Parts: sequence; C-alpha cells; structure tokens
Amino acid sequence: NAGVTQTPKFQVLKTGQSMTLQCAQDMNHEYMSWYRQDPGMGLRLIHYSVGAGITDQGEVPNGYNVSRSTTEDFPLRLLSAAPSQTSVYFCASSYSADNTEAFFGQGTRLTVV
Amino acid sequence: RKEVEQDPGPFNVPEGATVAFNCTYSNSASQSFFWYRQDCRKEPKLLMSVYSSGNEDGRFTAQLNRASQYISLLIRDSKLSDSATYLCVVNDNSGNTPLVFGKGTRLSVIA
Repeated sequence: NAGVTQTPKFQVLKTGQSMTLQCAQDMNHEYMSWYRQDPGMGLRLIHYSVGAGITDQGEVPNGYNVSRSTTEDFPLRLLSAAPSQTSVYFCASSYSADNTEAFFGQGTRLTVV
Repeated sequence: RKEVEQDPGPFNVPEGATVAFNCTYSNSASQSFFWYRQDCRKEPKLLMSVYSSGNEDGRFTAQLNRASQYISLLIRDSKLSDSATYLCVVNDNSGNTPLVFGKGTRLSVIA
C-alpha cells in the first residue's frame, strides 16, 4: 500500500515556465487537497477536491490549477511559475473531509529562479 | 478565515521534562480536533485525535476545552525523538470544509 505518492520530490523552474506536480493515492479516498508550506506561514490550502470531477479553491489558489478526473489522481498545475511560488508543496488525502486522518505525500520542494 | 493559533516556540526542554502546548481556535462550530507531528523536512503525520473526554496515548495527553475554545497537548518524560513541530488541526465537520492547520509549535528536546 503506497499511500500518497507525489512526484517529483525536487524541481527547479525558471520564471514563466509551467509544470505539473503529480499526486496519486491508492486508498480510495474521496477527499484530496494541495498545500504549500513556507517558513513561518504554516500549511496553506491551495485547492481541494471532495470527489472526482469536483474541485474548489482554498486560501491561496492564484497561479495554480487543478483537476480531478479520477479518484486516484489530483495533479497541481503551475501556469507560469514565479519566484513567489518557491515553496514546499504537500498533497494530502483522506476518506472524507470530516474528522478523519489526513495522509500526506512526502512533498515537492520547488524552487523558481 | 477560520483561524487556529499556536505559539510558534521554540520550546527547548531537557530530556525527561514535561512540556505542554496550547492551541486556540476561533470557529465555535469546530467539531473535530487533532494534533499532527511534522519532523524537519518531512510530511505531517497524525499524532492523535482529541476527544471531548480527553485522550491519552502513552506519554502524550490531549485535552479539549470547548468553553474556552482551546486544545492542549502534554508530553511527559520528553525524549530526544520528540523533537519536531506539532500542528494543531481543527475541522467543523460540515462535510465540505477542509482541515484548518495551525502554524505549529516547534519543540527541541535537549540531552
């Protein structure tokens, strides 16, 4: 049981480039989410999904897109990378949004130069 | 924005000490409460859920005070391996609202 798998683990982008951070879970969880974590800022929610075909914005959605075509996958797209998007990105999943344990991927360390 | 507030620390304590963290939340509709642990450069992992009656797991005890809207985490007999950041997490159980994370409290246990 792999849990939540994020790829890549590390990435360096140039300003203006686009890329997709991959997230996959094999626990049949309905709820998935993306966070970014910056020093002193804690985890901030970017986008989330309560099931296939349904996504919604979190606290800091600007500059990011998501889609949820399957239960397993929840990719995060950076449309035009900016230095302000340098951060550690975590994908998480849980059985539902209510009072259940959230499982996190190992994170993607992204640097935009 | 519903908020969860934590003292960022760091709390520097010697091995064997007892240390306590508090966390306050602003949404009185919050129903579920958790403590997560995050090691340096790692992903957060669930440490324990917090029940209305309190919850104890070995050296760790979590308490909930709904009237004052805070939860606490007590660590007894601190170990070097307890050094980490502890995240307070709440949810209003509305069925569609993401977990709300505090910014975390950093603990360093010193030999």
